[in-house]
Amino acid sequence: AQSVTQLDSQVPVFEEAPVELRCNYSSSVSVYLFWYVQYPNQGLQLLLKYLSGSTLVKGINGFEAEFNKSQTSFHLRKPSVHISDTAEYFCAVSEGKTSGSRLTFGEGTQLTVNP
Amino acid sequence: NAGVTQTPKFRILKIGQSMTLQCTQDMNHNYMYWYRQDPGMGLKLIYYSVGAGITDKGEVPNGYNVSRSTTEDFPLRLELAAPSQTSVYFCASSYSQGTGELFFGPGTRLTVL
Repeated sequence: AQSVTQLDSQVPVFEEAPVELRCNYSSSVSVYLFWYVQYPNQGLQLLLKYLSGSTLVKGINGFEAEFNKSQTSFHLRKPSVHISDTAEYFCAVSEGKTSGSRLTFGEGTQLTVNP
Repeated sequence: NAGVTQTPKFRILKIGQSMTLQCTQDMNHNYMYWYRQDPGMGLKLIYYSVGAGITDKGEVPNGYNVSRSTTEDFPLRLELAAPSQTSVYFCASSYSQGTGELFFGPGTRLTVL
């Protein structure tokens, strides 16, 4: 069965600093990987996804993530964060088309950007 | 398009009461889902549907029921509410099983006292 581990529950950073939110996954088959963002009191929205092809995936708001099959990781990065990036970020995995939208979510990482 | 809408936004229930959380999407998506979100636990799938008339259990279905009579609507029924059902409930929809892009509603915050 698939599983996701987000290695940090909280990440505080200063504005304009770089940030990396770490995500490891476990699966016995090929996977699709996703990052979702949840702003306060809102539902989740898709930030970026990896289905196949280039292992470096770019998403909205300047975020990117790199799929590393050997490390079973999908870490999210941004070179310079803004106050408005403060939110909770969820990594998610699915095991291909037969269960592509039945995602397994990680426990979330709260990113807090301080001035 | 309104996307995915949920009502109510907030609700307080007493133990043993029942209620229905409403979910509607106007994107003509076949796939719809109910998740619950508890602090530090991520999202857990309660039920999902692959089309009108077809529903199936997710990871945590106990204490809940669903129906899917139309493509647009996917209500979640809580019978005999318990404090363990205090949570934030999210409805979501998607147009395929292949891409994993779910569109979420704004959530319903439910407290059972």
